Amino acid sequence: AQSVAQPEDQVNVAEGNPLTVKCTYSVSGNPYLFWYVQYPNRGLQFLLKYITGDNLVKGSYGFEAEFNKSQTSFHLKKPSALVSDSALYFCAVRDGGGTYKYIFGTGTRLKVLA
Amino acid sequence: DTAVSQTPKYLVTQMGNDKSIKCEQNLGHDTMYWYKQDSKKFLKIMFSYNNKELIINETVPNRFSPKSPDKAHLNLHINSLELGDSAVYFCASSRVGGGTDTQYFGPGTRLTVL
Repeated sequence: AQSVAQPEDQVNVAEGNPLTVKCTYSVSGNPYLFWYVQYPNRGLQFLLKYITGDNLVKGSYGFEAEFNKSQTSFHLKKPSALVSDSALYFCAVRDGGGTYKYIFGTGTRLKVLA
Repeated sequence: DTAVSQTPKYLVTQMGNDKSIKCEQNLGHDTMYWYKQDSKKFLKIMFSYNNKELIINETVPNRFSPKSPDKAHLNLHINSLELGDSAVYFCASSRVGGGTDTQYFGPGTRLTVL
C-alpha cells in the first residue's frame, strides 16, 4: 500500500535561513512524488515533482527537492526562506505502476519569521 | 480563464438536506478527482474519474454520488447531509501518464452543515 509521512506538523525558520520540509514515502512500484503548497483559504498549488531523471528537482518560487531512493525520502528545500513562503506544504505520492491514486501527507505548516 | 473551477465557493445548509457541488476543468485533462479536507487540514481522496469512468471510490458513504457528464466536468451530489460532512471539498484534474501526472486543484468549496 502507498503511504506518505510528513513527520513535522510545523517548521519554524528565520527569514533568510535555509529551510527543509521532510517527506518519506512507501510505494510498491516506482514513485511519482509531488510537493504542493496551500495558502490560507486557497486550493493546493503545484510546486515540483519527481517522476524520473535527475534526483534533484527544481520547482516554483526557488524550491527544490531531492529524491533519495535508499532513504525513500523527498525532502523539500529552499536556500533562503521568505516570509511569504509561510504556508501549508503537502507531499504526495503516486505509484507509477498504473494506479491513478495519489496519497497526500498530513501537511507541514511552515512559518518563516521576520 | 481559471483552469479548475468549482461552484459554489461556500455552502451552508441544514442537516438532512441534499446539495451538489460542480467542478469544471478547461485543461483538456482526462482524469478528475474529489478530495475532502477536514478541519485538521488532512486531505483524503474520495473519487476519481478517468474519461468519465469511475476508477477510484474510497469507502465513501453512498450518500455521496459523483457524476461525470463529460471529461471536463465532475459533480458531487450529497444526500441527507450530516454534521460530519462539514469540510472543504476540492476538485482536481490531471493527465495521467506520459510524464505529466501533475494535479491541478480548484479553489475549494467550504461546506458547513448546521
